[in-house]
Amino acid sequence: DVKVTQSSRYLVKRTGEKVFLECVQDMDHENMFWYRQDPGLGLRLIYFSYDVKMKEKGDIPEGYSVSREKKERFSLILESASTNQTSMYLCASSSSSGSLYEQYFGPGTRLTVT
Amino acid sequence: GNSVTQMEGPVTLSEEAFLTINCTYTATGYPSLFWYVQYPGEGLQLLLKATKADDKGSNKGFEATYRKETTSFHLEKGSVQVSDSAVYFCALSEGGTYKYIFGTGTRLKVLA
Repeated sequence: DVKVTQSSRYLVKRTGEKVFLECVQDMDHENMFWYRQDPGLGLRLIYFSYDVKMKEKGDIPEGYSVSREKKERFSLILESASTNQTSMYLCASSSSSGSLYEQYFGPGTRLTVT
Repeated sequence: GNSVTQMEGPVTLSEEAFLTINCTYTATGYPSLFWYVQYPGEGLQLLLKATKADDKGSNKGFEATYRKETTSFHLEKGSVQVSDSAVYFCALSEGGTYKYIFGTGTRLKVLA
């Protein structure tokens, strides 16, 4: 089974802190994604990466950056956390082979910024 | 641009009731369509998928048919169980790209 793991299920940080969210997948997938999930807004794409060291902005990249130094690991960085970044963060991965690019999700990290 | 619209929830049903969750989409080209489910405290998992017009995806008693003429992909189940209580997301994959567009999700609550 594909497994996508995220470093923390729950995280509480203070405003202004630098926050790292880590995601690891074990299926050798080329593509990895970071979403945030908010009530009434569904999932919104923050960043995605289609290869090591490659990244593209999603729909809401402001206030975030990412890093992909190894194929299996994709990190989301909040340079200076703010209260409006309190949310559920979901990581996903998919293969570039085939045509469906089915995405596999991690369990999510619920981040609270106080 | 492309978009997905789902019916707003929550949807509350009694056990063994019939379920329909509406999903319509706007897309250029020929997207693939998906339903994902999120159980409490978990990430999303793929429920079913369809890649072309008139395809029917099915899994765990759930079904959805890709209707190009009405740009719809409604989720149905003949008899829901308490264990089906979850949030359901409709999504499309823009043709030839890795990106998904998700609907806002519909929360389903099934009462015993």
